[in-house]
Amino acid sequence: TQLLEQSPQFLSIQEGENLTVYCNSSSVFSSLQWYRQEPGEGPVLLVTVVTGGEVKKLKRLTFQFGDARKDSSLHITAAQPGDTGLYLCAGLARGTGRRALTFGSGTRLQVQP
Amino acid sequence: EAGVAQSPRYKIIEKRQSVAFWCNPISGHATLYWYQQILGQGPKLLIQFQNNGVVDDSQLPKDRFSAERLKGVDSTLKIQPAKLEDSAVYLCASSLGLGGGAYETQYFGPGTRLLVL
Repeated sequence: TQLLEQSPQFLSIQEGENLTVYCNSSSVFSSLQWYRQEPGEGPVLLVTVVTGGEVKKLKRLTFQFGDARKDSSLHITAAQPGDTGLYLCAGLARGTGRRALTFGSGTRLQVQP
Repeated sequence: EAGVAQSPRYKIIEKRQSVAFWCNPISGHATLYWYQQILGQGPKLLIQFQNNGVVDDSQLPKDRFSAERLKGVDSTLKIQPAKLEDSAVYLCASSLGLGGGAYETQYFGPGTRLLVL
């Protein structure tokens, strides 16, 4: 079983602060995706990273895939209340033949105005 | 473009009762997924269909859970009989391709929140 561990589990910050969320595994992933889920809704894809060391930016969000493709991070600059939600990383395991994503347990972010 | 539709949105049942969830994926999407998301956890795949065939049901508790995707479009997930630990949000997702593509996007429905008393 390929496990994805996310840290921290909970994060409550003030508007304007910066934060980083981590997603770690002992397994190698072909690709890794980050989703955001709001209460009462399904997850929505934010980004996909595929190449080791890859960095992608989405406005104030910066995503990085580790060189060994076992870990990833999400950095938010100047957080806003609209960033509040559950952030999930999900990986497509390499070499298993599985064609479905494995999700981490999530980081619940609350940004206070 | 319409998103993934699910019904009902909420369901409360007593243990040992039966319950069924319905999912209508995005038109033309070949792959359909059912996930279970227990409070405080990430989604866990229950079953993956490619068109109307099962690709992966390794984590489906087959003694009580069943799912079908008739004609490769809509899908139903059934629990019979339900247990207390089945309380969770059941998410349906669909993707255009066959699953396993690095850049493949899964589109999720809003989920059905099940409470088993």
